[in-house]
Amino acid sequence: DVKVTQSSRYLVKRTGEKVFLECVQDMDHENMFWYRQDPGLGLRLIYFSYDVKMKEKGDIPEGYSVSREKKERFSLILESASTNQTSMYLCASLDVNSPLHFGNGTRLTVT
Amino acid sequence: AQSVTQLDSQVPVFEEAPVELRCNYSSSVSVYLFWYVQYPNQGLQLLLKYLSGSTLVKGINGFEAEFNKSQTSFHLRKPSVHISDTAEYFCAVSEVTGGGNKLTFGTGTQLKVEL
Repeated sequence: DVKVTQSSRYLVKRTGEKVFLECVQDMDHENMFWYRQDPGLGLRLIYFSYDVKMKEKGDIPEGYSVSREKKERFSLILESASTNQTSMYLCASLDVNSPLHFGNGTRLTVT
Repeated sequence: AQSVTQLDSQVPVFEEAPVELRCNYSSSVSVYLFWYVQYPNQGLQLLLKYLSGSTLVKGINGFEAEFNKSQTSFHLRKPSVHISDTAEYFCAVSEVTGGGNKLTFGTGTQLKVEL
């Protein structure tokens, strides 16, 4: 069974801090994604990657960057955290013949 | 660009009653369609998917959905709901392209099953 692991379940950071959210998948999937989930807004795509060192902007990339140095790991970076980035962050992966598999999410609070 | 509309933000229903959660999509190319469920304090899990073939798709937990190309809809149905079906349901669309697969999600429908 596919496993997508997000390193932290809950995270509290201060405004202006640099924040790293880590995600690892164990099924050699090509594609990995970062979404944020907010009440009433559903899931919105921040960035995705279809190969190592490749990245594409999603619908709301502003204030975020990503890193994909190894196939199994996809990191989301908040260069300078702000309160409007308080949210639930969901990582996901998929391959050509598989559906999207999600991690359990990281609930980030920026104070 | 693809988009998804879930017309109902909340759907209350009594146990053992039927339910339909509506989903409409917009895309200029062929699509794959998905329904995901999120139980409280959990991640999302796949309920069912339409990739090709039969337009009636059956998923887990007794749910099914019908792909209607002319109406650009993919409504989710269950003939008799249970208390344990209380959750948030997300419809998602992916355009069939040669590049990376990008899913666009709707805003979700909260299904609340009452006794």
